[in-house]
Amino acid sequence: SAVISQKPSRDICQRGTSLTIQCQVDSQVTMMFWYRQQPGQSLTLIATANQGSEATYESGFVIDKFPISRPNLTFSTLTVSNMSPEDSSIYLCSVEKPGVGYEQYFGPGTRLTVT
Amino acid sequence: AQSVTQPDIHITVSEGASLELRCNYSYGATPYLFWYVQSPGQGLQLLLKYFSGDTLVQGIKGFEAEFKRSQSSFNLRKPSVHWSDAAEYFCAVKDTSAGGTSYGKLTFGQGTILTVHP
Repeated sequence: SAVISQKPSRDICQRGTSLTIQCQVDSQVTMMFWYRQQPGQSLTLIATANQGSEATYESGFVIDKFPISRPNLTFSTLTVSNMSPEDSSIYLCSVEKPGVGYEQYFGPGTRLTVT
Repeated sequence: AQSVTQPDIHITVSEGASLELRCNYSYGATPYLFWYVQSPGQGLQLLLKYFSGDTLVQGIKGFEAEFKRSQSSFNLRKPSVHWSDAAEYFCAVKDTSAGGTSYGKLTFGQGTILTVHP
């Protein structure tokens, strides 16, 4: 498996500001993903962040709103920019471990509230 | 596009009773299927997975799931539920299209909330 930590675990932010979420993994991984879980909803993929290449965004998500960095094989950040109350969600990073099954493991999530 | 349907939003069972959570998927190729559990305020924990081979897969915490290609289903089961199993359960299918921009993407169902009565 993989041990994944996220910072911050939660935050309350004012609209119009930005928040950067960090994701740290205990081992090197190629593929990292960022998901959003809106209140009472399921998880939706925001983007895939592979080291050495630009992040790939899903439909409905854009780089200007959710810039992502992936400087090395154990770390990534997601920034939520110019926040509005609709951005209030749990943001989770996940990693894929190569091998049989290519399982994805999830971090504990960052609970964001925008006021 | 791939999709996952979990028909039951909320299920309530008594402790010790058996459990089955339903999951139906839509995917053009051989699916890679997963069940995750999310306890309140927690991240997602992988319960089990199916890629190929035996269609009945065993997972952690006494859970099992059966892949039925003819029914496009991957239902999760447990013979005897414990109070600690109360949580939200998510079924997911993975995009395995090599070279595709969404390779690795997990598409989740809406989740099933499990309540366990003592």
